[in-house]
Amino acid sequence: SQELEQSPQSLIVQEGKNLTINCTSSKTLYGLYWYKQKYGEGLIFLMMLQKGGEEKSHEKITAKLDEKKQQSSLHITASQPSHAGIYLCGADGTGTASKLTFGTGTRLQVTL
Amino acid sequence: DTAVSQTPKYLVTQMGNDKSIKCEQNLGHDTMYWYKQDSKKFLKIMFSYNNKELIINETVPNRFSPKSPDKAHLNLHINSLELGDSAVYFCASRGTANTGELFFGEGSRLTVL
Repeated sequence: SQELEQSPQSLIVQEGKNLTINCTSSKTLYGLYWYKQKYGEGLIFLMMLQKGGEEKSHEKITAKLDEKKQQSSLHITASQPSHAGIYLCGADGTGTASKLTFGTGTRLQVTL
Repeated sequence: DTAVSQTPKYLVTQMGNDKSIKCEQNLGHDTMYWYKQDSKKFLKIMFSYNNKELIINETVPNRFSPKSPDKAHLNLHINSLELGDSAVYFCASRGTANTGELFFGEGSRLTVL
């Protein structure tokens, strides 16, 4: 089964600083998803990447999938307190019934 | 208008009891899921249904039984609750079975005493 490792496990940054979260897979990624979870709430979809080398941005968040499709990164520019939460990467397996498997999560705190 | 809604949001119960969590989606999606999130926030898939048919059944104790009366609903029934069942259970839906983003409910926090 697909295993996704995220790093770092937790991160504390000062408001205004940039940060990067990584997601590494043991297998080729066929669909890579980034979600954010605020404490005590559900998961909010951020972005989906499918092609090697693909990069997407939304507001101050940029996600990339490497050419080999085994690693993805999520970069936040000029972090704000609203960025705080748990970031999860998820990946599709192969086959007609895919189970979206999630990574170990990265807890982000943004201090003032 | 909530896309994926779960009830109840909170559930506190004694060991040995039986409880159910209900999920409904109004997105017209074919596929629905149950995930379990433990205290370390690790999210693990339990079941998936596509058009009322069970398509994914992970290694989950038999005490957990999903039921999908129609493709808009996926309920989770748990028998003989144990302390280790305490977790947040998330329902999710997806347009197709193998690609596309999942839409999550807000979660149901189950506490077994």
